[in-house]
Amino acid sequence: EAQVTQNPRYLITVTGKKLTVTCSQNMNHEYMSWYRQDPGLGLRQIYYSMNVEVTDKGDVPEGYKVSRKEKRNFPLILESPSPNQTSLYFCASKLTTNTDTQYFGPGTRLTVL
Amino acid sequence: TQLLEQSPQFLSIQEGENLTVYCNSSSVFSSLQWYRQEPGEGPVLLVTVVTGGEVKKLKRLTFQFGDARKDSSLHITAAQPGDTGLYLCAGEGLKAAGNKLTFGGGTRVLVKP
Repeated sequence: EAQVTQNPRYLITVTGKKLTVTCSQNMNHEYMSWYRQDPGLGLRQIYYSMNVEVTDKGDVPEGYKVSRKEKRNFPLILESPSPNQTSLYFCASKLTTNTDTQYFGPGTRLTVL
Repeated sequence: TQLLEQSPQFLSIQEGENLTVYCNSSSVFSSLQWYRQEPGEGPVLLVTVVTGGEVKKLKRLTFQFGDARKDSSLHITAAQPGDTGLYLCAGEGLKAAGNKLTFGGGTRVLVKP
């Protein structure tokens, strides 16, 4: 089944404790991105990647890192999480930059105490 | 920065009634996408409109792209409880900007039986 998977789905952590949210897609998509969703703000893009080893900042990249060493994986790293990073996070992928159908993962709800 | 404003933020109607959700911007987009999101899941693409003035129909849902490609609307005829969800519009920017998606804040629709 074609899908985008994220792990973990839920995470409660404390300020400053490094964490990684994994994202994997099995559709051989070139383009992947991370969003955060906050009430009333819709989805805001954190980082995106047009292909392996190519990553770029989105609208709200501060406090986040990503890597794209393989086509299928695009982990999101929070080196020193803070309470304002409490949010619902979505990974998404699409075949290429020029295609419109973007597939979203199920989301990761992160709480930083 | 391109901004998309959705209205209303929340809509509660009875089964069988019609509803319209609006998505407005001062910026021009190359295309406009509409998504629906269920609780605990990621957004799912409903439709993409590309040409100014374009109208697309998906069963009881009618999507329209403004002539100037700055605004869009989603109209649901004879709404059913299964239409309940969060509706998100997203404008696609220029290719030079990586076809970046800018999301509206979302409209939460509740259709009561």
